[in-house]
Amino acid sequence: SQELEQSPQSLIVQEGKNLTINCTSSKTLYGLYWYKQKYGEGLIFLMMLQKGGEEKSHEKITAKLDEKKQQSSLHITASQPSHAGIYLCGAVLPYQLIWGAGTKLIIKP
Amino acid sequence: KAGVTQTPRYLIKTRGQQVTLSCSPISGHRSVSWYQQTPGQGLQFLFEYFSETQRNKGNFPGRFSGRQFSNSRSEMNVSTLELGDSALYLCASSLSAGEYNEQFFGPGTRLTVL
Repeated sequence: SQELEQSPQSLIVQEGKNLTINCTSSKTLYGLYWYKQKYGEGLIFLMMLQKGGEEKSHEKITAKLDEKKQQSSLHITASQPSHAGIYLCGAVLPYQLIWGAGTKLIIKP
Repeated sequence: KAGVTQTPRYLIKTRGQQVTLSCSPISGHRSVSWYQQTPGQGLQFLFEYFSETQRNKGNFPGRFSGRQFSNSRSEMNVSTLELGDSALYLCASSLSAGEYNEQFFGPGTRLTVL
């Protein structure tokens, strides 16, 4: 959806390095989901952010919501092969959820 | 607790045919949403059902329809298949309706239209 832009579209990172994925909305965000998808499979919930400035962490993944910028960032510290996959953000808008196109993450050993 | 299950996992059809996909939500979940995922368009919302009623609908032609049964299981139907309908169809269930409820996704049904 052009209303929700993810960047970069793809990312190749050396194992052990940090990385950041961004999700920017053209509309006011009421909440933001991050999901991870292995190729051709369903989506796995990572976290949901609802309040401006909210930051959540799960293992080595941290996500933050910047309401003013209408943006969320997902940061992975010390990447591992298990982090490889497609990361999708989903924005909560009035009466609908819209999704970004995804960021494909490849981890080089 | 068993996760969301979708059947069949893979399907090959020809243009003009129709297809029915099935989704069984997590036990206790009453909301089911359907999505179409393609490389070009990404994840596109089809519709959401809650307590057997369609709560919300995406921007898809009338060839795409769905329903939900009293046990919360859901089916979606695509009639007069077109080549462009080839996609991964994902079903997601949540405890209740609404955008603030975490959605649990099934593995998807990969539909190929020849």
